[in-house]
Amino acid sequence: DAGVIQSPRHEVTEMGQEVTLRCKPISGHDYLFWYRQTMMRGLELLIYFNNNVPIDDSGMPEDRFSAKMPNASFSTLKIQPSEPRDSAVYFCASSLFGGISYEQYFGPGTRLTVT
Amino acid sequence: AQTVTQSQPEMSVQEAETVTLSCTYDTSESDYYLFWYKQPPSRQMILVIRQEAYKQQNATENRFSVNFQKAAKSFSLKISDSQLGDAAMYFCAYSRGAQKLVFGQGTRLTINP
Repeated sequence: DAGVIQSPRHEVTEMGQEVTLRCKPISGHDYLFWYRQTMMRGLELLIYFNNNVPIDDSGMPEDRFSAKMPNASFSTLKIQPSEPRDSAVYFCASSLFGGISYEQYFGPGTRLTVT
Repeated sequence: AQTVTQSQPEMSVQEAETVTLSCTYDTSESDYYLFWYKQPPSRQMILVIRQEAYKQQNATENRFSVNFQKAAKSFSLKISDSQLGDAAMYFCAYSRGAQKLVFGQGTRLTINP
């Protein structure tokens, strides 16, 4: 299996622009998670889906952030408009209900820089 | 809310020696899972070891082992025979199964040759 795939790996954009991050989970996994990693706040959950349905979006910072999962193989995290404080590494992870310890498998992350 | 605390921002150890990373957590639940993740400079999150709270036996994976003290809510990671490739950030994490991971702040481990 190719593992969790994220694109792009790096994104540099200007303040005010729209940014879309993409994730392809491991085939057959029914949970998908979006995390953000910053120096100030560490690793924190933004949102997670079960069977393509958002379950907990309490970590989404504000209305500028939105996430979708139109099918079991694809999810997007969109920031519009982007701000310098959104600069971070964004991870996507997937897991299988009933899998060993419900282990989450992480993608390589997208490093976002907003200037 | 569950919290995870790693009190050692940085640790260093001589190659081939043993080092222990500390982690404590706070929860009112009885069933949960604990993990140690390694994050090298590549930033990839790599699972090192896992522990189910219902298991009394401490988990072991080759040179990595944990000391799980459920009553004390402590979950430390021991790395034996440290190797240069072990240098990384290590994160302790908690979950209630098919739910989010709650991470500690991380410990940066340096291996001295």
